[in-house]
Amino acid sequence: NAGVMQNPRHLVRRRGQEARLRCSPMKGHSHVYWYRQLPEEGLKFMVYLQKENIIDESGMPKERFSAEFPKEGPSILRIQQVVRGDSAAYFCASSPAAGGMIEQFFGPGTRLTVL
Amino acid sequence: AQTVTQSQPEMSVQEAETVTLSCTYDTSESDYYLFWYKQPPSRQMILVIRQEAYKQQNATENRFSVNFQKAAKSFSLKISDSQLGDAAMYFCAYRSGDAGNNRKLIWGLGTSLAVNP
Repeated sequence: NAGVMQNPRHLVRRRGQEARLRCSPMKGHSHVYWYRQLPEEGLKFMVYLQKENIIDESGMPKERFSAEFPKEGPSILRIQQVVRGDSAAYFCASSPAAGGMIEQFFGPGTRLTVL
Repeated sequence: AQTVTQSQPEMSVQEAETVTLSCTYDTSESDYYLFWYKQPPSRQMILVIRQEAYKQQNATENRFSVNFQKAAKSFSLKISDSQLGDAAMYFCAYRSGDAGNNRKLIWGLGTSLAVNP
């Protein structure tokens, strides 16, 4: 059973460009979470999605950021008009259910560098 | 809002010895879950151990164990017989037991553990 897949692993964008980060959850997992790790910091929750639904986006910046998890295909985190402060590692996690002791399985992350 | 604090940015241990990493948290909830994750140089987060707040017995996974002190809101990780492969960043994380707010993990800043041969 393949783990959580994220691509690309490294992404370089110039200020003002768009960044698209992809996450394929583990087989059988319908819950996806996105976290951001700024340099020298812990992870910060961004958004939690189930298939075709955004359940909790309380950690997502109000502007420029959006996320989706379509019925078919990977979850996408989209950052429009990137700025240098968006440079970070973005981690996706998935789980077969939500809450409690349920483990979130993490992908290897996408390191976004904004020039 | 809940917070997680790891007061030791860096720790080191000799191979085969024991080390304890500290974690404290702040919450007004009585039902919650606590986790320790390891982030090796590959950067992939790996679950090390987890604890349910309503269980008094400390969780143990092979060489890893926790000291959970609910009244003190402390959740330390003990690594016994340290191995070179244990070198990594260790993150403490909290999850609410509230059904409306129990999806996200709240993280500490991490402790970088070095294992000396």
